[in-house]
Amino acid sequence: GESVGLHLPTLSVQEGDNSIINCAYSNSASDYFIWYKQESGKGPQFIIDIRSNMDKRQGQRVTVLLNKTVKHLSLQIAATQPGDSAVYFCAENIGGSYIPTFGRGTSLIVHP
Amino acid sequence: DAGITQSPRHKVTETGTPVTLRCHQTENHRYMYWYRQDPGHGLRLIHYSYGVKDTDKGEVSDGYSVSRSKTEDFLLTLESATSSQTSVYFCAISDQPQHFGDGTRLSIL
Repeated sequence: GESVGLHLPTLSVQEGDNSIINCAYSNSASDYFIWYKQESGKGPQFIIDIRSNMDKRQGQRVTVLLNKTVKHLSLQIAATQPGDSAVYFCAENIGGSYIPTFGRGTSLIVHP
Repeated sequence: DAGITQSPRHKVTETGTPVTLRCHQTENHRYMYWYRQDPGHGLRLIHYSYGVKDTDKGEVSDGYSVSRSKTEDFLLTLESATSSQTSVYFCAISDQPQHFGDGTRLSIL
């Protein structure tokens, strides 16, 4: 989820667990969604994307689920590793726009 | 990453001074963007460009100007820096999905 304060929501997991990070998007006209990973001191890194004509898309150890009915997006990371520790945030695009709207992110902490 | 270089990576300057940040890409993408990232906020768009000499404002453009004289370079200028412009600045290229540089950490004292 998203936070209105200075502190990001945090998800703490044990190494090897599956992680689920959630994102509520705002615009029902959005038709393209992206998940990014941002490590400390680095720029956001593209993980996976999904278009609104799909409900699910899988990558390497990651799955994105899209529920258009409730405007909800989730990122599932299988067998979470310490290197997955980062801030994850979603972005939404309205059809034809080149300007995405970014969420504030969730901090994932993976304990060895 | 994705052929994007931001310079400088870190800068400390004083209020009232001009500052220019540079973004250089080797991907020949038409679209380039400047964002700022602050605690409590998502990435906020400052300006973007859709071609050489073609630029437009984002949601937080006040106090910033940009120039794109070549496809590969997109410059962000703070004409007279203020403390509220202390932030981390990211350049991005492409459209869907965007790819980001590693940022410039700018402190204005």
